[in-house]
This record gives sequence, C-alpha cells and structure tokens, in this order.
Amino acid sequence: AQSVTQLGSHVSVSEGALVLLRCNYSSSVPPYLFWYVQYPNQGLQLLLKYTTGATLVKGINGFEAEFKKSETSFHLTKPSAHMSDAAEYFCAVITNSGGSNYKLTFGKGTLLTVNP
Amino acid sequence: DTGVSQNPRHKITKRGQNVTFRCDPISEHNRLYWYRQTLGQGPEFLTYFQNEAQLEKSRLLSDRFSAERPKGSFSTLEIQRTEQGDSAMYLCASRAGAGDGYTFGSGTRLTVV
Repeated sequence: AQSVTQLGSHVSVSEGALVLLRCNYSSSVPPYLFWYVQYPNQGLQLLLKYTTGATLVKGINGFEAEFKKSETSFHLTKPSAHMSDAAEYFCAVITNSGGSNYKLTFGKGTLLTVNP
Repeated sequence: DTGVSQNPRHKITKRGQNVTFRCDPISEHNRLYWYRQTLGQGPEFLTYFQNEAQLEKSRLLSDRFSAERPKGSFSTLEIQRTEQGDSAMYLCASRAGAGDGYTFGSGTRLTVV
C-alpha cells in the first residue's frame, strides 16, 4: 500500500529565508505526487504536481518540488518565504486501488510558520 | 464560479441528530470524492463516485454514513445518529482524469456537541 511521510509536523522560518518541507513516499508503482496548501478553515489548494516527465516541478506562489525516485522523495521548496506562506502543507500520492479510483493518500501535514 | 462548492460551511449539531452535507463539483468532472479531516491530520478517504455510481467506500464509512450522487452531478453525505467522534472537516473534491489533481471545496466543518 502506498503511504506518505512528512518529516516535521511544524517548520518555522524567518521571512525571506528558504522554505524546505520534506516528503517521502512509498509506492509499488510510479507515483503521481502532489503538494496542497490549506489555510485555516479552508479547503485544499493544489500547489503543484508530478505525473511524468521533468522531475523538477514548478508550482504557484514560487514553490517548486523535485521528484527523486532513488530517494523516494518529493520535497517542497521556496527560495524566499513570505508572510502569506504561513499555512499547512500536505504532500499526497495517488494510489490506484483498482478500476478508475485514483485515490489521494495524504501525509499528516506540515504547519509552516513565517516569522517577521 | 467554476470551483467545487460545499454547503453548509459550518454545522453544529447535537449528538444523536442527523446531518446532511451537499457538494456541487466542477460540472465537467465526473469523478467525485469525499474526505474527512480531523484536527492535526491529513484528509482521509471516505468514498468515491464515478458519475452516479458509488465505486468505493472506506472502512471509515460506518453504516451511519451514506453518500449519494443521484444524477451524477451534486452529491450528498448524510450522517445519522451523530457522535462526538464525527466532529471533523468534511471535504469534497472532484477531478477529470487520472493524472489530474483534485479540486477541493472549502469543506463543511461539523461540530457535534
């Protein structure tokens, strides 16, 4: 069964500093990988996704992630944190449980705090 | 508005009461999902529809839970005889194809008192 591990339930950075949120997955088949962001009392917004092709994926709001098959990782980065980046971030993998159900399996999330 | 719409946004109910939530997906998306998110956790899969057919249900979906998508458009999630453990954010999502990301609604936050 596929699973997602997010290392660090809480990450705190200073405004302007590098953001690095870690995600490792386990999958018996080539994965589809996603990062979502969730602001308080809101649904999830897609930041970026990897399906096939280029392993460095660029998303919205200056975020990017690199798929590393050898490390089974899909870490999320942003060169310079902004106060508006403070939110909870979820890494997810699509699993195919058979048929057409490509089900999203989420990690437990990482809360990003940005300090002025 | 072409996003996924969920109603109500918040629901407070007394234990033992029944509640029903509604989800209107993106119109061209035939795949619809319900997820549940409790505090400090990632969303967990509840059930999946392709058009009007409910093709998969999680073991999390006890017999007090029922979901429908009668015409392959909007969906409802009903919880009967609510318990305090049902308090959570209920998220609906839809998607078009296998490699597409899901589009999530803003969720319905249920509080059972």
